[in-house]
Amino acid sequence: GAGVSQSPRYKVAKRGQDVALRCDPISGHVSLFWYQQALGQGPEFLTYFQNEAQLDKSGLPSDRFFAERPEGSVSTLKIQRTQQEDSAVYLCASSPRLNTEAFFGQGTRLTVV
Amino acid sequence: DAKTTQPPSMDCAEGRAANLPCNHSTISGNEYVYWYRQIHSQGPQYIIHGLKNNETNEMASLIITEDRKSSTLILPHATLRDTAVYYCIVRPPSGGYQKVTFGTGTKLQVIP
Repeated sequence: GAGVSQSPRYKVAKRGQDVALRCDPISGHVSLFWYQQALGQGPEFLTYFQNEAQLDKSGLPSDRFFAERPEGSVSTLKIQRTQQEDSAVYLCASSPRLNTEAFFGQGTRLTVV
Repeated sequence: DAKTTQPPSMDCAEGRAANLPCNHSTISGNEYVYWYRQIHSQGPQYIIHGLKNNETNEMASLIITEDRKSSTLILPHATLRDTAVYYCIVRPPSGGYQKVTFGTGTKLQVIP
């Protein structure tokens, strides 16, 4: 596709359930970023990949959050034992190189009930 | 990392120019100013960026003050489709978006 694709668009999870959110970046983009966006707030950084290497995971809120990008393209953000405070929109962005503009996907809205 | 300050909301009449201000008084000499917008239920969309000089593209113009402590995004002829939250961010040249703070942006309402 032409843009960053995220799936699913919406996810409802019961508290305690594990979820996996997928990001398909623009083909050939080296850098990939995950953000969390709470209602009424701006996106907040979670983690960053350069190719398959996770170079920064300082924004992950707890050890229940895990991200991977094993082949340097598709990335998955996994949240274990979801809690209500995990409810948010999770955004993925990619860029051709580290120091160029990033393009965002439409996000996955996660609701934990 | 430089932070930005934006008014929480603005209104603009359809067809008029929308001027969105941003304060980034702690910006470093080599940090870029980027603008994104986020339409409801969508991801942020890149608009424009600049370092020192004013920039223009098909979407908008960016005016950066000489001391680089503030900037203004100009949408020359606002349409209803421009209603969105606009984010001004500062990004270091050698770093990616992991060093960026989006803040809460300016909610622009274009009025018919």
